[in-house]
Amino acid sequence: KAGVTQTPRYLIKTRGQQVTLSCSPISGHRSVSWYQQTPGQGLQFLFEYFSETQRNKGNFPGRFSGRQFSNSRSEMNVSTLELGDSALYLCASSSDSESGNTIYFGEGSWLTVV
Amino acid sequence: QKEVEQNSGPLSVPEGAIASLNCTYSDRGSQSFFWYRQYSGKSPELIMSIYSNGDKEDGRFTAQLNKASQYVSLLIRDSQPSDSATYLCAVSLTGRRALTFGSGTRLQVQP
Repeated sequence: KAGVTQTPRYLIKTRGQQVTLSCSPISGHRSVSWYQQTPGQGLQFLFEYFSETQRNKGNFPGRFSGRQFSNSRSEMNVSTLELGDSALYLCASSSDSESGNTIYFGEGSWLTVV
Repeated sequence: QKEVEQNSGPLSVPEGAIASLNCTYSDRGSQSFFWYRQYSGKSPELIMSIYSNGDKEDGRFTAQLNKASQYVSLLIRDSQPSDSATYLCAVSLTGRRALTFGSGTRLQVQP
């Protein structure tokens, strides 16, 4: 079955702008989470959504937000972009029906803020 | 103290050898443990998951978990140059789909 799909794959934004990233989870998966990966901080958890509700949230400022739609697709938004927001943003999906909580990642969205 | 610690490497092994990657974690509430492989410029790819103490084998990969020592490891047998990548250890609390990652160990397999 198809994996986690993220769009766009690459984008360049200017400081102060805002950006929206999109994610379609694996079919049947209802949990979608977002991660940020930078060379300095590594992979960090942003937030997780399940059935359109945010269940978990990482330690990021309020400029980072997300939402999930009824079809489990998710978007994340970063407002007032800063240079430090340049990163690989990864979406991951998971099924509650699986034993444990195995999480599968999409290919990511590379964001460059100039 | 970082929540999940890994030696950044690089760990260099000759082709055909066993590569041993280690990870320690600080939260005793951690219940799920994962190893991901990440090639440069790519997203993490799940290799192994382990939830109970002991060993779990999948092909050339063996994950080992010791909750008492808060230690998880990954063994790669018959290492191949294609195994050269960064290996990320990740842990999560029961029922939480929020992974805490180590900084990763870079593995180099020399032909």
